[in-house]
Amino acid sequence: EVVLTQSPGTVSLSPGERATLSCRASQSVSANSLTWYQQKPGQAPRVLMSAASIRATGTPDRFSGTGSGTDFTLTISRLEPEDFAVYYCHQSESSPRTFGQGTKVEIK
Amino acid sequence: QAQLVQSGAEVRMPGASVKVSCKASGYTFIGHCIHWVRQAPGQGLEWMGWIKPHSGDSKFAEKFQGRVTMTRDTSINTVYMELTDLRSDDMAIYYCATDGLFLTGNGWFDTWGQGTLVTVSS
Repeated sequence: EVVLTQSPGTVSLSPGERATLSCRASQSVSANSLTWYQQKPGQAPRVLMSAASIRATGTPDRFSGTGSGTDFTLTISRLEPEDFAVYYCHQSESSPRTFGQGTKVEIK
Repeated sequence: QAQLVQSGAEVRMPGASVKVSCKASGYTFIGHCIHWVRQAPGQGLEWMGWIKPHSGDSKFAEKFQGRVTMTRDTSINTVYMELTDLRSDDMAIYYCATDGLFLTGNGWFDTWGQGTLVTVSS
């Protein structure tokens, strides 16, 4: 099973600041198989970025994704109020599909 | 646009079963696998398995083997997830989600249902 470890667990930032979220895999994962989701309280997750770096429909360009192999990063260049949420990485490289434990981006 | 609408909240006693439905609209139902993902209160996301609506084939996480069944009714564009022998740690919100790739089950989770809360309590 591919274990995904996200860091930090929680990050406290102010609107306008930059957020850098990390996702590390226990074994190499194709970038094509790495997805980022955003989840707000009381809502279902929504896909933010597929194939590590391809923004989903509706994802603002302040979000960017990079990475390969075992290290992936989601960056939010300038936080907007609606960006404070929990972010999960996910791999579809192998079964079982797995998620990271999530990174909460909270308002400082 | 694609939409998944799930059945309502359920309350079950330990040892019972629950069956959750997920009705699809706005896209070619048989073209995309549907995954089930659950989320315990205050916890992260856990993948349970998928079903291919065009064939009925399914694949489950080993953790749920023997307790989960996924079926579909193509006449009403609906898939079902049944979980048996419920335990307290099965209490969670259960989500269905379409696979982002055509016909395979190897893509991301694209469109999500609104979630179904399953409470397990005596």
